[in-house]
Amino acid sequence: SQKIEQNSEALNIQEGKTATLTCNYTNYSPAYLQWYRQDPGRGPVFLLLIRENEKEKRKERLKVTFDTTLKQSLFHITASQPADSATYLCALRGFKTIFGAGTRLFVKA
Amino acid sequence: EAQVTQNPRYLITVTGKKLTVTCSQNMNHEYMSWYRQDPGLGLRQIYYSMNVEVTDKGDVPEGYKVSRKEKRNFPLILESPSPNQTSLYFCASSAPSRTSGGYEQYFGPGTRLTVT
Repeated sequence: SQKIEQNSEALNIQEGKTATLTCNYTNYSPAYLQWYRQDPGRGPVFLLLIRENEKEKRKERLKVTFDTTLKQSLFHITASQPADSATYLCALRGFKTIFGAGTRLFVKA
Repeated sequence: EAQVTQNPRYLITVTGKKLTVTCSQNMNHEYMSWYRQDPGLGLRQIYYSMNVEVTDKGDVPEGYKVSRKEKRNFPLILESPSPNQTSLYFCASSAPSRTSGGYEQYFGPGTRLTVT
């Protein structure tokens, strides 16, 4: 069956450093992969998507890579800030959408 | 303001009592979807609707029904709720975006349901 995995442990980093989150998937050939941010008690907010024929996408301090051979996406937040502390979800999008369980990021000042 | 609204936001009910959670979007999106979110399991898709004529099951449709009579509304119906349906529910809508090159999902604020 289709499976998507993210770092289950929380990621703690110091302000100003680059946070790197991982998303791995199996048994799926998505049209594209999406990343969302979710704050406690709120709905996810769309950040970026990357198509299967793209290697890298950037938006301000965010960068996403997509390796369809490894079946892996990396999500980077450069120059991280305490306000970046949240849970980050990856999602595979075909007709259906499959989400990972998310990785909690804590950025310390 | 472009948004997805859900009602109610919080609901406590008893086993077997039929309930409906409403979802409405004002962005003229074709695609709408329902998810449930449980600790450690992430968001799981219950049903999705590509347009008013096409609705299909997601990964966890058992015990749920949906209706898409008009583009803006996509209610979730629990005919006979059970305690294992206690969860946080999100409705989402999406449409293709030229900016990002694909479908971006916009989520509602969530409905916290407790079935006792």
